[in-house]
Amino acid sequence: DADVTQTPRNRITKTGKRIMLECSQTKGHDRMYWYRQDPGLGLQLIYYSFDVKDINKGEISDGYSVSRQAQAKFSLSLESAIPNQTALYFCATSDLSGADTQYFGPGTRLTVL
Amino acid sequence: RKEVEQDPGPFNVPEGATVAFNCTYSNSASQSFFWYRQDCRKEPKLLMSVYSSGNEDGRFTAQLNRASQYISLLIRDSKLSDSATYLCAVTNNNDMRFGAGTRLTVKP
Repeated sequence: DADVTQTPRNRITKTGKRIMLECSQTKGHDRMYWYRQDPGLGLQLIYYSFDVKDINKGEISDGYSVSRQAQAKFSLSLESAIPNQTALYFCATSDLSGADTQYFGPGTRLTVL
Repeated sequence: RKEVEQDPGPFNVPEGATVAFNCTYSNSASQSFFWYRQDCRKEPKLLMSVYSSGNEDGRFTAQLNRASQYISLLIRDSKLSDSATYLCAVTNNNDMRFGAGTRLTVKP
């Protein structure tokens, strides 16, 4: 079984809709991250969390919110989706003892029409 | 200017060739450095960490030059299976920044 899972894997939605992307991990890591990837721009950090009570904004947090429901779960919400949020979204985890190495989920491909 | 920059390529090389990628970073306080590999439509996976003394893993060699603020990845005797996008990553105070990636295609 995969250590980091994301649901859904693909989603098509309309402008203005609220969308939630979910991430779960069985690695026992404290740290979790959400990134988006656009062609030619690489991975951009949206939000990250170092434990259940910790939430931090990344490079591009506007238009997004997150919830760390438990050590193993970190969800990303788009309150009112817009077309330029069409992208590939990755969740990742890391453990301080692993010297910042990040382990990625399989990604969610989101299309906002 | 982006914090982490890479030549996007694509690099098209024949099997058996040696190919090198560079990645520059702007924050001199950066602490940890990595190379990730990403196959088409898949998630990035750690290829190797980059240490100050340089490190080698089989056909792959990574080096760090703090004075000039770049990291490099050398692939020797390239295989068809090396075809992928290679992302460099740099951390500073727990904040990891990625380059946009360099695409490599190894041809028969």
